[in-house]
Amino acid sequence: LAKTTQPISMDSYEGQEVNITCSHNNIATNDYITWYQQFPSQGPRFIIQGYKTKVTNEVASLFIPADRKSSTLSLPRVSLSDTAVYYCLVVPPTSGTYKYIFGTGTRLKVLA
Amino acid sequence: GAVVSQHPSWVICKSGTSVKIECRSLDFQATTMFWYRQFPKQSLMLMATSNEGSKATYEQGVEKDKFLINHASLTLSTLTVTSAHPEDSSFYICSARKMASGYNEQFFGPGTRLTVL
Repeated sequence: LAKTTQPISMDSYEGQEVNITCSHNNIATNDYITWYQQFPSQGPRFIIQGYKTKVTNEVASLFIPADRKSSTLSLPRVSLSDTAVYYCLVVPPTSGTYKYIFGTGTRLKVLA
Repeated sequence: GAVVSQHPSWVICKSGTSVKIECRSLDFQATTMFWYRQFPKQSLMLMATSNEGSKATYEQGVEKDKFLINHASLTLSTLTVTSAHPEDSSFYICSARKMASGYNEQFFGPGTRLTVL
């Protein structure tokens, strides 16, 4: 299981772009990189998933360099409601009972 | 699609009693469900993997006789905390993997806050 490392916490101001980097040095060839968001007292919510280069959806962008040993979640123009914990996971594409192992996550605080 | 619910959303019980938490996949079938526990300011910790029609697989350090898991149908898994103690107070979250899904995506429930007095 690939281990992930993220900064414990980050602060930002409303309207700024936030980039959260995750290290996954032992990522396997077929693993995908997946990001979840969790608000207090709620279950995690899927944000974005990618394999290489860049993926963008209506919420965020995910940048993955060629060596795939790290990835960066980019949140454009954050608002106060983006204050949450963000988790990075590496996941194989298909497996009967693959277990998600959550790391520490990054606690993002957006300030007014 | 892919909605997971949990019931109850919160529960308070006395020490020594048992509490059952339900996890349901509302619009899909799930052969595999997972149970996590989360203490304040900490990450999610996987407790066990629940497979429909078979025994659950527990993570190291999780007492299977204390945390009983039943996955009796393709849409329902239950976690029973037996003889609860104050140290069992935590946020319990389930997730479900879509049956026959080609991806390892898990859909998470909203969580259940357990407080043991």
